[in-house]
Amino acid sequence: DTAVSQTPKYLVTQMGNDKSIKCEQNLGHDTMYWYKQDSKKFLKIMFSYNNKELIINETVPNRFSPKSPDKAHLNLHINSLELGDSAVYFCASRLASQRGYGYTFGSGTRLTVV
Amino acid sequence: DQQVKQNSPSLSVQEGRISILNCDYTNSMFDYFLWYKKYPAEGPTFLISISSIKDKNEDGRFTVFLNKSAKHLSLHIVPSQPGDSAVYFCAAVVRFGNEKLTFGTGTRLTIIP
Repeated sequence: DTAVSQTPKYLVTQMGNDKSIKCEQNLGHDTMYWYKQDSKKFLKIMFSYNNKELIINETVPNRFSPKSPDKAHLNLHINSLELGDSAVYFCASRLASQRGYGYTFGSGTRLTVV
Repeated sequence: DQQVKQNSPSLSVQEGRISILNCDYTNSMFDYFLWYKKYPAEGPTFLISISSIKDKNEDGRFTVFLNKSAKHLSLHIVPSQPGDSAVYFCAAVVRFGNEKLTFGTGTRLTIIP
């Protein structure tokens, strides 16, 4: 049973397109995250949701719009894709009450913009 | 502004020897530190952690040391095994408010058989 699953695993698309990445967790966690790993392999937080409420937005361009329909799902929609958006996007989840630990990551979505 | 740094992008160690991975941080508000291991095409998986009130935590072959005054932590793996070959990320967190992991850039560890 996959704890944090992301779809699709790979996504190749042209500049200017709009695309979505989906994330689902079956761990009963209440907090979910999107992280981006760029070409320099640097893992940086983008967004965090707690109980469907946005709690962290790390100065990400507003072409990126996260949506959390419920505690178990966090999707990422990207408008007008640019070459610089090419990266691996990781979803993660945790229980907010487990301060400092309990983060579980998905296996990533490799986005390539051509 | 990179608050967590891993200055060695890669490290090669002979099987059976000790692997030492280092990490430095600048934000004195961090109060919990974690090491993650990552294989290609997979997400990071949790390895070991340490609270800022401790200076050592051990779990089997893995030990994490924290030197708060130097803002430095290290991960020791002994003995190193071929399956330990992976990228290791150091991460830090401030455990109040809206929590988030701040990662270092990773160290690629290669264990030579």
